[in-house]
Amino acid sequence: GQNIDQPTEMTATEGAIVQINCTYQTSGFNGLFWYQQHAGEAPTFLSYNVLDGLEEKGRFSSFLSRSKGYSYLLLKELQMKDSASYLCVCYSGTYKYIFGTGTRLKVLA
Amino acid sequence: SAVISQKPSRDICQRGTSLTIQCQVDSQVTMMFWYRQQPGQSLTLIATANQGSEATYESGFVIDKFPISRPNLTFSTLTVSNMSPEDSSIYLCSVEAQAVNTEAFFGQGTRLTVV
Repeated sequence: GQNIDQPTEMTATEGAIVQINCTYQTSGFNGLFWYQQHAGEAPTFLSYNVLDGLEEKGRFSSFLSRSKGYSYLLLKELQMKDSASYLCVCYSGTYKYIFGTGTRLKVLA
Repeated sequence: SAVISQKPSRDICQRGTSLTIQCQVDSQVTMMFWYRQQPGQSLTLIATANQGSEATYESGFVIDKFPISRPNLTFSTLTVSNMSPEDSSIYLCSVEAQAVNTEAFFGQGTRLTVV
């Protein structure tokens, strides 16, 4: 079956670091995406991992372990504008994207 | 990257009516995708639209309810037919990037409320 698990909600303080975890079980795996989605808006691309390891892009980093079916998104120096939902998305190939239900992050002043 | 224009951005419709959502891409793409995002839930693929052929629908979605057109490589429409309040959702058009990382790009979405 296809299953992606991520926490429903997280809260963190402005300036802090937060890690959003994602575990997955999919039939076929060709990479994992993280998307950010503000309320009422379309998802926007944050990162893509296909090999094991850490990908860093500014304040955002994403990690993948294919053997463990595990990924995390790390957000540093949190800002109020980072309050959004973060979607863990598995790409199983042939244009098939499997979306997690998203983690709603609230950043508090 | 691909720029996707989707309209309308939002609409409030009476039950029993139909709404057609348009999606325009700034470059030619082979595959276009339509997703639904119900309140508090993640995205669910409705169908894949390939130019020149019938759309391929996912389990739980049928052509009579969600007819799709794909007249050329830059445009597609999704119609939500005979609407009921359960159809209230965000509908998103998406395309896959023509690059190695296969990132998907999304339109800004259509927020549909059926009353």
